[in-house]
Parts: sequence; C-alpha cells; structure tokens
Amino acid sequence: KAGVTQTPRYLIKTRGQQVTLSCSPISGHRSVSWYQQTPGQGLQFLFEYFSETQRNKGNFPGRFSGRQFSNSRSEMNVSTLELGDSALYLCASSYRQAETQYFGPGTRLLVL
Amino acid sequence: AQSVSQHNHHVILSEAASLELGCNYSYGGTVNLFWYVQYPGQHLQLLLKYFSGDPLVKGIKGFEAEFIKSKFSFNLRKPSVQWSDTAEYFCAVTGNNAGNMLTFGGGTRLMVKP
Repeated sequence: KAGVTQTPRYLIKTRGQQVTLSCSPISGHRSVSWYQQTPGQGLQFLFEYFSETQRNKGNFPGRFSGRQFSNSRSEMNVSTLELGDSALYLCASSYRQAETQYFGPGTRLLVL
Repeated sequence: AQSVSQHNHHVILSEAASLELGCNYSYGGTVNLFWYVQYPGQHLQLLLKYFSGDPLVKGIKGFEAEFIKSKFSFNLRKPSVQWSDTAEYFCAVTGNNAGNMLTFGGGTRLMVKP
C-alpha cells in the first residue's frame, strides 16, 4: 500500500506570496492532519480534517487554512507568507480519528 | 492543555550500550502515547504506541516503552543500540477527546558511535 504523499517536496516563495501544499493520504484513510516542523518550535499541530470537515485546529493565525476533498486528499494554504513560515510541513493520515497517524515526507518551504 | 517533555536533547552512545529516553506528559484525561523516529533524510516513522492494556509495549527494531500512569511517563528503551539507530526520537501524546491532535515533545537526537 502506498504511503502518504505530499507535493511539492520543495518550494521557495517570497514574503507576501501565498502557497498551497497538497497531501494524498494512504488509501482508505479518511483523517488527514497537518503539522509544522521548525528547529525552534519543533513539531506543532496545525489542523485536522475528517470527512471533509475541520475537526481540530492548532494555535496558528488565520493565514493558515486547509480543506479536504471527498476523496480524502487535503490541501493547506498559507497566505501572505512571512519569513517565519519557513518550515517543513508534514501531513499525516489515519483511518479514523484517535488512531495511529502515518506521516508523509513533508514539503520544505523556504520564504525569502 | 497537553504538553510533552523530553528530558534529553542530545544523547551520544557507543554501539551495544543500553538506551533509555525519558518522556513525561501533562494531560488530564485518558491518553494515547507514541514514539516516532526520524532517521537522517527520512520522514517520521512510528516506533511504537500505547492505547490501552499492557503498559509495556514493544515496537519495531527492538525498541520498547513502558507507560507509568502514576508518573505520567512513557520512557523508550533499547537494551543494545546499533549505529543504525542514529536518529531523532519524538514522544507524542493525544487525548482520547482530542481527535488526532498530536502534541510532540521537543525530540532527542541520538548519535551512536560505531
């Protein structure tokens, strides 16, 4: 079974731009969560989607948003990029909520 | 609010040495506990998990962890490390009412010298 895939793997943007990242969960998984990983703050939860509905949201500004499609694929969007948004963005999927999450390779975003 | 504390940020061991990485969490309800590992250049992989039952759980590659509820701890152990265990290890917790919101510890970088 294929794992979680994320596209693109690397991205360079400039301040003020917006970016959309994509995540395809493991086949059959309906829950998708997003995390931000930085050297300073570590791994932080962004949001979780299950059956196209946002179920939980972390402590991030409204510039960070996401959605989930009927095939469980998910996208996250960051508008008005700031330098501090440079990070590795990880997507994780699970069959249901409160089950083991499996992580993708991440999208490394660099904001210049 | 949930929080997870990993006491050791960097650990250096020689091959065949025993390993114990500490993890303490703060949460008021029932928890699910995880250890993930991130090898250099690779993505996060699940080592082991505890949901309920036997508090001593065994994972992949000879790792095990013990859930001690009274101490709010979930320490990771391995009797004899190998050079290939060099990686960053993350303890994580989610509450039963928190959906899939994982709270991670700060991570422990393990270097195993051959």
